[in-house]
Amino acid sequence: DAKTTQPPSMDCAEGRAANLPCNHSTISGNEYVYWYRQIHSQGPQYIIHGLKNNETNEMASLIITEDRKSSTLILPHATLRDTAVYYCIVRVGNRDDKIIFGKGTRLHILP
Amino acid sequence: SAVISQKPSRDICQRGTSLTIQCQVDSQVTMMFWYRQQPGQSLTLIATANQGSEATYESGFVIDKFPISRPNLTFSTLTVSNMSPEDSSIYLCSVEDGREALYEQFFGPGTRLTVL
Repeated sequence: DAKTTQPPSMDCAEGRAANLPCNHSTISGNEYVYWYRQIHSQGPQYIIHGLKNNETNEMASLIITEDRKSSTLILPHATLRDTAVYYCIVRVGNRDDKIIFGKGTRLHILP
Repeated sequence: SAVISQKPSRDICQRGTSLTIQCQVDSQVTMMFWYRQQPGQSLTLIATANQGSEATYESGFVIDKFPISRPNLTFSTLTVSNMSPEDSSIYLCSVEDGREALYEQFFGPGTRLTVL
């Protein structure tokens, strides 16, 4: 079973920041938080991952709470192309740890 | 990052027949995974395929229904056997690229299967 809980859907206005929450209250000390997204009719795409510290790359920022029980993915300036299902995943990140997908959040970017 | 291709991209099949889906990677990878995504649902892991060993199946999936081959480090096939309409799904191949930090997984474009 997935170890994360996400809202089923969210709306965000184009050009605004999209903040996608994720709860992972049972996360272990050696588990990372990964985010993937799946645009319609495509395979999932990696976005970002983190352990404790906040992370930023060219696509998004990841904010992890100090107790690591929740996190937020931030798309700073959402565009229509960011409309997708976003999956928050917890995994150890070594060779033997497979990705188990939950239901994700369907993000609608509104023009 | 690894580039993954799948064949066919889509197919329409008759009940009771079998379809073999191919997954080709542009680099050698140790771990390959097969997922199923039923209409409107999330991805479900079918099995993990390592080169040179039998595939490891997740609960609810069996080798007789979903036989997998992994003949080398860049290729794998998944066969959907004795198909029924309930097998209509998108089937995705994924690979773990150990060159990337934390064994990142990359996904193919998927094979959309419709069973009549």
